[in-house]
Amino acid sequence: NFMLTQPHSVSESPGKTVTISCTRSSGSIASNYVQWYQQRPGSAPTTVIYEDNQRPSGVPDRFSGSIDSSSNSASLTISGLKTEDEADYYCQSYDSSTVVFGGGTKLTVL
Amino acid sequence: EVQLVESGGGLVQPGGSLRLSCAASGFTFSSYWMSWVRQAPGKGLEWVANIKQDGSEKYYVDSVKGRFTISRDNAKNSLYLQMNSLRAEDTAVYYCARAVAYYYFDYWGQGTLVTVSS
Repeated sequence: NFMLTQPHSVSESPGKTVTISCTRSSGSIASNYVQWYQQRPGSAPTTVIYEDNQRPSGVPDRFSGSIDSSSNSASLTISGLKTEDEADYYCQSYDSSTVVFGGGTKLTVL
Repeated sequence: EVQLVESGGGLVQPGGSLRLSCAASGFTFSSYWMSWVRQAPGKGLEWVANIKQDGSEKYYVDSVKGRFTISRDNAKNSLYLQMNSLRAEDTAVYYCARAVAYYYFDYWGQGTLVTVSS
């Protein structure tokens, strides 16, 4: 099995851009799709990115996803930050029989 | 509208059992993989189990293998999680989630809290 490692927290000001990383411990990040979920306090998670860089309908294009094989990591970038983006963000991937979540990153917009 | 509604959570003693249910509506239940994902208080998300559309394939996180059983009833549009030999570390909110192509969760329920304590 593999692990996905995220920074515990990031903070940035409204209007700025923030990037959250997600590093895969073993196996290629490119071999299985990466998803990103947003979770606000007291609520269930919602998807902001699926299949590395796809946005579900209704998710603003301020949210984008990418993968970098050289660092074996995925990234979630949020531009034009709004206070409503303040939440926990989780990356997620899988292999043939296991689904793995990253530990989550708390985004503070201040 | 897709809806997933969990039930069955509650307080149970260590070593006890509990059965969670998830009622699905608004989509063709039998066409999707389904999953359980849990979140311990103040902690991150942890995938628990997946089940294929016809129930022929089931996968579990190592920590629940041999104790938890995922099942489904496509005629009732329902997903289940039978939890036996419960431990304090199983305390969490348990979410039912629809899985697209096995690996991507596109809809989640609101969760049901399971507390394992004496």
